[in-house]
Amino acid sequence: RKEVEQDPGPFNVPEGATVAFNCTYSNSASQSFFWYRQDCRKEPKLLMSVYSSGNEDGRFTAQLNRASQYISLLIRDSKLSDSATYLCVVNMRYSSASKIIFGSGTRLSIRP
Amino acid sequence: GAVVSQHPSWVICKSGTSVKIECRSLDFQATTMFWYRQFPKQSLMLMATSNEGSKATYEQGVEKDKFLINHASLTLSTLTVTSAHPEDSSFYICSARDGGAVHETQYFGPGTRLLVL
Repeated sequence: RKEVEQDPGPFNVPEGATVAFNCTYSNSASQSFFWYRQDCRKEPKLLMSVYSSGNEDGRFTAQLNRASQYISLLIRDSKLSDSATYLCVVNMRYSSASKIIFGSGTRLSIRP
Repeated sequence: GAVVSQHPSWVICKSGTSVKIECRSLDFQATTMFWYRQFPKQSLMLMATSNEGSKATYEQGVEKDKFLINHASLTLSTLTVTSAHPEDSSFYICSARDGGAVHETQYFGPGTRLLVL
């Protein structure tokens, strides 16, 4: 089982739709969680950190469920510019160190 | 957000030459930097973790003698691809962890595209 798993997609939705992604992680001692977006042939850029209480940034809402070990990203009123690959990132704690693990990404395509 | 630069952004070289890529954190000190490689339509693959002043930690399957990493200061890490071959052609991305941030966010450089002929 992968340490961080994401549905690869692609998700193809019309502009204005609401879309949600989930990401599951295997290490219950994971400490911090992030969503990054990566545009084609570009580097990943931080979209938002994910806090235990859930957090919202404009049209984007991130939630963390520690009991079920998953995080989610909700995008409301999607725009064409939201088309990208969304990477789930987990900072996992092992015995003597922590390690950042990337999911393989979920591709999102917004159509006019 | 914090800024990480990478240089060069593009490299085209002949097989057998060595290529050096620099990664700099511009407005914060990064005790830890990471080097990733990404092949087309694939996910980021962590190659190694670079800690300032100590030897890098390489992921399984990554040859440390092939990919030399030096992290001599809190703002600079370098990756040298020695005797590059066509199969080393890839998108190399560094990231730096902002240890001063609450959640230790990673910030990525713009990447270096390496093409070995």
